[in-house]
Amino acid sequence: KNEVEQSPQNLTAQEGEFITINCSYSVGISALHWLQQHPGGGIVSLFMLSSGKKKHGRLIATINIQEKHSSLHITASHPRDSAVYICAVPPEGGSEKLVFGKGTKLTVNP
Amino acid sequence: EAGVAQSPRYKIIEKRQSVAFWCNPISGHATLYWYQQILGQGPKLLIQFQNNGVVDDSQLPKDRFSAERLKGVDSTLKIQPAKLEDSAVYLCASSSYPLIAGTGDREQFFGPGTRLTVL
Repeated sequence: KNEVEQSPQNLTAQEGEFITINCSYSVGISALHWLQQHPGGGIVSLFMLSSGKKKHGRLIATINIQEKHSSLHITASHPRDSAVYICAVPPEGGSEKLVFGKGTKLTVNP
Repeated sequence: EAGVAQSPRYKIIEKRQSVAFWCNPISGHATLYWYQQILGQGPKLLIQFQNNGVVDDSQLPKDRFSAERLKGVDSTLKIQPAKLEDSAVYLCASSSYPLIAGTGDREQFFGPGTRLTVL
C-alpha cells in the first residue's frame, strides 16, 4: 500500500509570500497528482507529473522520483489561493486509482 | 468542455433516512469514481466503474451503500439507511482511461461534490 504524507498540515501566509507544500510517498509511482480543494468541496486537478517540473501561472510542481518526494510551490501568493492542497498517487502496484494525502490547508491573509 | 456534474450540492437528512446522489461524468469518459471525504481527511475511494461494470468496490459499505451506472454514463450513489458517520462530502470523478489497450489519460476530473449532513 502506498502511504502518502503531506506537510505542513496547516499553513498561514501573508499575501505575496512564497509557499511550499511537501508530499512524500512510500512506493514508486508512475505519476503524482496535485489537487486543489476550495471550501465548497469541489476538487480541481492542478498537475499530474511523473518527472521533473511543471509550471502553470504562479504554481510550480516538482518531483524527485528517487527520493519519492514532490513539492508544490506558489509564488506571489494571493488570498484566492486559500484552499486545501492534496497530493495523490497510485497505490502499490500501479493502476489508475489514487491514494490521497490528508491535504494541506493554506490560508493567505491580505 | 463541460465538467463533471453532481447533484444535489448539499443535503441534510436525519439518521436512518435514505439519500441518493447523482453524477454525470465528462462525455466519453469510460471510468467513473465515487469518493467519500470526511472532514479533515483525504478522499477515500468507494467504488470505481469502467463503463457500466464495477472495477473496485472493496471499500464500499455494501450493507447500506449501493451504486449503479446502468448505461455506462451517469451514475447514482445511494445510502440506506444513513448513519451519523456518513456525514461527508461525496465526490464523483471521471477519466478517459482506458480507451483502447490501456491508452487514455489517467488524470481524474472531479465534480463539485455533494456535502451530506446526517443529524
